[in-house]
Amino acid sequence: KQEVTQIPAALSVPEGENLVLNCSFTDSAIYNLQWFRQDPGKGLTSLLLIQSSQREQTSGRLNASLDKSSGRSTLYIAASQPGDSATYLCAVEGSGTYKYIFGTGTRLKVLA
Amino acid sequence: GAVVSQHPSRVICKSGTSVKIECRSLDFQATTMFWYRQFPKQSLMLMATSNEGSKATYEQGVEKDKFLINHASLTLSTLTVTSAHPEDSSFYICSAQQGKGAGELFFGEGSRLTVL
Repeated sequence: KQEVTQIPAALSVPEGENLVLNCSFTDSAIYNLQWFRQDPGKGLTSLLLIQSSQREQTSGRLNASLDKSSGRSTLYIAASQPGDSATYLCAVEGSGTYKYIFGTGTRLKVLA
Repeated sequence: GAVVSQHPSRVICKSGTSVKIECRSLDFQATTMFWYRQFPKQSLMLMATSNEGSKATYEQGVEKDKFLINHASLTLSTLTVTSAHPEDSSFYICSAQQGKGAGELFFGEGSRLTVL
């Protein structure tokens, strides 16, 4: 059974810092890994999708990497801003199940 | 990105009544839709997977008679919480995908259900 864990669970940083969020998964048989952002009481916004054959994806200040063999992904946020404050979730799509299983999330707070 | 609309965003109902939540893909055909439930400050728990024209596949521990899912068209899936009780109060979120293993998952805005 796929299990997805995110570390740290919560993070508070001053504005301008570069930071790394971690996601680990137990079953490396995946199709895709996706990073999302969730604001309080809202739905999820897709940030980056990495296919299993890819190593990384970039969008603006965000860079996500994938090491499928070790069951890890990182989300790098450059020059963090208060508007980046949210919960960040990673999810993996199992290659046999086609289901997305979500991680536990990292609650990020960027202080002005 | 593609747009998924969920309605209603908030609903309050009395215990024992049924509530229907709609999930629509506005600009693409979603052969697969997923329904998740989220408790406060927790991650998303997959409830069921629905494929257009076929019965939904429920996750272990989710009561199919309690949470009725219908995926009648390529753009609409509905979740009906039957005979709702206070413990069913939660945040329900749908997501849509163009097909199995088709990559990116797009989410609705979520529906906050409160059962009195």
